[in-house]
Amino acid sequence: DQQVKQNSPSLSVQEGRISILNCDYTNSMFDYFLWYKKYPAEGPTFLISISSIKDKNEDGRFTVFLNKSAKHLSLHIVPSQPGDSAVYFCAASASNYGQNFVFGPGTRLSVLP
Amino acid sequence: DSGVTQTPKHLITATGQRVTLRCSPRSGDLSVYWYQQSLDQGLQFLIQYYNGEERAKGNILERFSAQQFPDLHSELNLSSLELGDSALYFCASSFGDRGNSPLHFGNGTRLTVT
Repeated sequence: DQQVKQNSPSLSVQEGRISILNCDYTNSMFDYFLWYKKYPAEGPTFLISISSIKDKNEDGRFTVFLNKSAKHLSLHIVPSQPGDSAVYFCAASASNYGQNFVFGPGTRLSVLP
Repeated sequence: DSGVTQTPKHLITATGQRVTLRCSPRSGDLSVYWYQQSLDQGLQFLIQYYNGEERAKGNILERFSAQQFPDLHSELNLSSLELGDSALYFCASSFGDRGNSPLHFGNGTRLTVT
């Protein structure tokens, strides 16, 4: 049973436009969410996180939105740059229960020049 | 650079053999996690250690074992290797053990079993 889902395996966006990556989860105990970016032959790189007490967190070009009632989060990248082309993983944990991070299957983002 | 060091980068071995993967966490981090990524699959959690003690186990096979040493580095031992064990193995570290601080990943060890 996939507790963290990323239903779009891939996404293409023009340079300078907004990229929106989506993630859904099923476990209502999840209270801490993260996004990672992964280039080929490298480990995942932490981008941004959000706690369930917030609904938005921003860091430069990256903003994460959390909708707890819908069990949905999204990552917005504005403006998108060719260097953003990578696989993006959503992850979640139930920190109050000591549960470890569960990762989604990833979405491959291609930013076209 | 995440500060997490994994060695070796690549490992090629035969079925039935045993290998050891090594991980040094970021300075100051007490938790070490091991993940497996098989071809076209997501990151599967294997095991977590915190300050030398096992904290959580995921989908780790009985043929696999791990430990964290007093200097906080960790080793993942894979034995009786099968073709299906070919994968990328990632180590990650974090300061805490409660899943409320980010994981920082190494660049992985690519294991190929022939």
